[in-house]
Amino acid sequence: DGGITQSPKYLFRKEGQNVTLSCEQNLNHDAMYWYRQDPGQGLRLIYYSQIVNDFQKGDIAEGYSVSREKKESFPLTVTSAQKNPTAFYLCASNQGAEGYTFGSGTRLTVV
Amino acid sequence: QKEVEQNSGPLSVPEGAIASLNCTYSDRGSQSFFWYRQYSGKSPELIMSIYSNGDKEDGRFTAQLNKASQYVSLLIRDSQPSDSATYLCAVESYNTDKLIFGTGTRLQVFP
Repeated sequence: DGGITQSPKYLFRKEGQNVTLSCEQNLNHDAMYWYRQDPGQGLRLIYYSQIVNDFQKGDIAEGYSVSREKKESFPLTVTSAQKNPTAFYLCASNQGAEGYTFGSGTRLTVV
Repeated sequence: QKEVEQNSGPLSVPEGAIASLNCTYSDRGSQSFFWYRQYSGKSPELIMSIYSNGDKEDGRFTAQLNKASQYVSLLIRDSQPSDSATYLCAVESYNTDKLIFGTGTRLQVFP
């Protein structure tokens, strides 16, 4: 079945540590996105990529980094520069004018 | 002014009633509009898309779009307790592939 796989489902980060969230899709979609969701704040765009080897900052890119070396993969690194990383992270992809398809999400907690 | 606005709710309706969810947007050039359902702790799921003025029906769901008023709505007929979720309105930004999300309306359907 086609879809988007995010891993891990839960992730715990220590202060000062970088962590990487995985996002893989087999939908053959060109565009991929990372969103962050906090309670009561809806979805905020972190980074997006419309083609391999190219990506753009979204509204809240500070403290995050991404790469897009393959069409299927769009990993997100949460760096130590992100001071409040505890949130629900959602990866999505789309093709053309269709709506986004979301992965199941990664819940990141700072310990 | 927020780009996509929704009443946060909760909207409480009895089982079997019609639930009406509303959304306004600021970008007059927007062309694509989507409704997502998100259960607590889960990722958003696309339930309706609409691109032209008027109504679009799919089962118990009807999306309504009025571009002149910059207004999009979702009607859920014969509401069921399983419809209890947060409903996110999303609008595609003009000339980009980015979706702008509202903060969502929480719907509660009581037996």
